[in-house]
Amino acid sequence: GNSVTQMEGPVTLSEEAFLTINCTYTATGYPSLFWYVQYPGEGLQLLLKATKADDKGSNKGFEATYRKETTSFHLEKGSVQVSDSAVYFCALESGGSYIPTFGRGTSLIVHP
Amino acid sequence: NAGVTQTPKFQVLKTGQSMTLQCAQDMNHNSMYWYRQDPGMGLRLIYYSASEGTTDKGEVPNGYNVSRLNKREFSLRLESAAPSQTSVYFCASSGGGQGFSEQYFGPGTRLTVT
Repeated sequence: GNSVTQMEGPVTLSEEAFLTINCTYTATGYPSLFWYVQYPGEGLQLLLKATKADDKGSNKGFEATYRKETTSFHLEKGSVQVSDSAVYFCALESGGSYIPTFGRGTSLIVHP
Repeated sequence: NAGVTQTPKFQVLKTGQSMTLQCAQDMNHNSMYWYRQDPGMGLRLIYYSASEGTTDKGEVPNGYNVSRLNKREFSLRLESAAPSQTSVYFCASSGGGQGFSEQYFGPGTRLTVT
């Protein structure tokens, strides 16, 4: 079956530091890949997505590239802000399935 | 557009009481989902509805029932609440049919069962 593995958190950074959150997946076929963000007390919201190999999703300074050869979709940001403190979820959806697969989430804490 | 709305936002129940969590979406999405989120467990799918008129069990359906009332609304019922059902419940919807479509989440219902 499908699975998503994310690095465990929390990840603690100082403001303006470089961020990487690793995500690898196992899936049949050619899934679409997603990063969601959850701010405290809120529901998840889509941050970015990529639907085919070598696609790069980007939004709000965050980027992730769909790497089929390494089955990875790592999230990066060049300079984090305090307001980026949240939980980040990697997810995939395979064609033919109505059910997405989510990783466990990685908590990011950014200090001023 | 309100997106996905959930009621109530907070609820406290005693063991054995029943309640229904309401969810509605105004994006004309076909698929709707109920998840629970517990510390250290990530998101777990309770039930989903791929399209109006269908519902299916997810990973943790025991103790819950659902109703897809129409295309907009998908409710989750706890018939006899237990402390193990203390959690944050999220409703989500998705418009793209089988795969390839992101999910839109509601703000959540924080349920405590004493």
